[in-house]
Amino acid sequence: QQPVQSPQAVILREGEDAVINCSSSKALYSVHWYRQKHGEAPVFLMILLKGGEQKGHEKISASFNEKKQQSSLYLTASQLSYSGTYFCGTTTGGSNYKLTFGKGTLLTVNP
Amino acid sequence: KAGVTQTPRYLIKTRGQQVTLSCSPISGHRSVSWYQQTPGQGLQFLFEYFSETQRNKGNFPGRFSGRQFSNSRSEMNVSTLELGDSALYLCASKTGDRQMATGELFFGEGSRLTVL
Repeated sequence: QQPVQSPQAVILREGEDAVINCSSSKALYSVHWYRQKHGEAPVFLMILLKGGEQKGHEKISASFNEKKQQSSLYLTASQLSYSGTYFCGTTTGGSNYKLTFGKGTLLTVNP
Repeated sequence: KAGVTQTPRYLIKTRGQQVTLSCSPISGHRSVSWYQQTPGQGLQFLFEYFSETQRNKGNFPGRFSGRQFSNSRSEMNVSTLELGDSALYLCASKTGDRQMATGELFFGEGSRLTVL
């Protein structure tokens, strides 16, 4: 089942902070975050695994609440280069590890 | 190191035709997955292949099929095209033999299919 992302869109001024949320109705094994700039391929940002392991880029911060089946991506001191669509993807473990993405959050950072 | 290469980048088909899209993963990557991207729907998982075997499948009709070759290159085929199949089809590869739950996906730039 597709995770739900919020907000659908957000507009920031350079230097402002933003939080993008991702929630699921199912117990999660892992949460993945990707950013896609217009006309480009999605690019990996971070993976958060059940049990606390995280892998990703240093400047990206995210949390994973296993009990609430939620994850949040924190974008601090935003830069123009942060603009793009952010996707969260989730896996639910068990015998099926397919990665299911949400519909995305469009982030626009203005000067 | 070359990235994920998808061909063709753009194509136009008419309803009822079929189409084959190709994906060459990063050298050494054995897992290839396919996604359909449409406005408002995000990235919808089609299938994943590893070592020439389909490992996972999304909720798409049987008109959507794929395969992987011994060199890890993958193709997906859509038969009897419908207007709703118009989309950007993205391919992604990853290294290692672990399931999609872990590990970074490297995406290609996609094949944009328009069905008239």
